[in-house]
Amino acid sequence: DAGITQSPRHKVTETGTPVTLRCHQTENHRYMYWYRQDPGHGLRLIHYSYGVKDTDKGEVSDGYSVSRSKTEDFLLTLESATSSQTSVYFCAIGREAITYDSGNTIYFGEGSWLTVV
Amino acid sequence: AQSVTQLDSHVSVSEGTPVLLRCNYSSSYSPSLFWYVQHPNKGLQLLLKYTSAATLVKGINGFEAEFKKSETSFHLTKPSAHMSDAAEYFCVVSGKVGNQFYFGTGTSLTVIP
Repeated sequence: DAGITQSPRHKVTETGTPVTLRCHQTENHRYMYWYRQDPGHGLRLIHYSYGVKDTDKGEVSDGYSVSRSKTEDFLLTLESATSSQTSVYFCAIGREAITYDSGNTIYFGEGSWLTVV
Repeated sequence: AQSVTQLDSHVSVSEGTPVLLRCNYSSSYSPSLFWYVQHPNKGLQLLLKYTSAATLVKGINGFEAEFKKSETSFHLTKPSAHMSDAAEYFCVVSGKVGNQFYFGTGTSLTVIP
């Protein structure tokens, strides 16, 4: 258990409304990620963060923004939700290697199911 | 560039028979390799991880994976499938920068009673 909590777990929203998903971690890891998972596309990286106020885009960042004002929280905002953003959203943390050769490891939250109608 | 190919999108086995899920990777350096399992409506759970130690890696729930550098493969095996093993499995390779990860497209495992 990597201490990752996503909220809300399920949400239905209307097209054009803003939506914010929250990811909270209890272990103070530097790296946090937001992915979306869709049939036929697997997992795709939306945005990631490598520290407070330090974020960068992933491969499918259009229509999404993120913020990280505290180490433990990473917020994903859909500025104006569209039906194409109906998906399952996973937050993840990167647990950094303890030794130089053990490599970082990524751990996932339970997911947030978003439906845009 | 790094890439991961899961050679089978669907695998069906009978309960009690061996499981083999195949993964090939492409990398210009020595990556870390992972297998994750995802049960329906759940997040991805780490099954096992290879770094640079033993080439045969043991994971949870009786799963193992063998790193073969010459074949650039990291196949996942289990001697005897259980009904609870039915899930989606993802092979993942780390990027050259430690915070990057590249995912395969997944293999759906069905276990037939």
